[in-house]
Amino acid sequence: AQKITQTQPGMFVQEKEAVTLDCTYDTSDPSYGLFWYKQPSSGEMIFLIYQGSYDQQNATEGRYSLNFQKARKSANLVISASQLGDSAMYFCAMRGSNTGNQFYFGTGTSLTVIP
Amino acid sequence: NAGVTQTPKFQVLKTGQSMTLQCAQDMNHNSMYWYRQDPGMGLRLIYYSASEGTTDKGEVPNGYNVSRLNKREFSLRLESAAPSQTSVYFCASSAPRGPNSPLHFGNGTRLTVT
Repeated sequence: AQKITQTQPGMFVQEKEAVTLDCTYDTSDPSYGLFWYKQPSSGEMIFLIYQGSYDQQNATEGRYSLNFQKARKSANLVISASQLGDSAMYFCAMRGSNTGNQFYFGTGTSLTVIP
Repeated sequence: NAGVTQTPKFQVLKTGQSMTLQCAQDMNHNSMYWYRQDPGMGLRLIYYSASEGTTDKGEVPNGYNVSRLNKREFSLRLESAAPSQTSVYFCASSAPRGPNSPLHFGNGTRLTVT
C-alpha cells in the first residue's frame, strides 16, 4: 500500500530563516516520484518541486530543496530564507511506477511565517 | 495558458439536488482526476481517468459519477447531494503514466450542501 505521512500539522518560522517540512512515505514500487505542492489561502494548488527515486542528487528549485533520504523513506521540503508569502499549506505527494495513474497525498502542514 | 479549468467556482445545493462539475484541460494530458479536500484529511481521490474512454474509482467514489467526454473534458456528477459532500473539489490532469509527471490542478470548486 502507498502512504504519505506528514506529522507536522502546523509550523512557525521567522522571516528570512530556513524551515524544514517533514514527509515520510511507504511504497513497494521499484521507482516512484515525490512531489511537493503549496496551497495558499486563495486555495489553488501550486506544484513546487519533484524528486525521482533514482535521482542521485537532491532536487532544488530556487529557495526550495528536497532533502531525499531513500533508506529512511523521507522527502523533506526545505524552504530557505522564508518570506511572508510562504505562509500556506504544504502537501507532500507520491506517484509510483506500478500505480502510475494514482497520486497519494499527505494531510498537509500549515506554515506560518512570522515577520 | 489556461491549463486546467473547472466550473463553477462556488455552488450551494440543497440536500437531494443534483449538479455536474465541469473540468477541461488544454495540455493534451491523458490522465485526469477528481479530488475532494476536507480539513485535516488532505486530498482524497474520488475518480480518475487514465485515458479517454476509461474511468476508475478512487478512495471515496460513493455518491459520485464521472464522464470522460473526450481527451480534454472530465466531469463529476452528484446525483443526489448530501451534506457530507460539502467540500472543495479539485480537478487535475497529468501527462502519461510515469512517476515523474506532476499533477496540474484547477482552481477548485467550493460546494456547500445544506
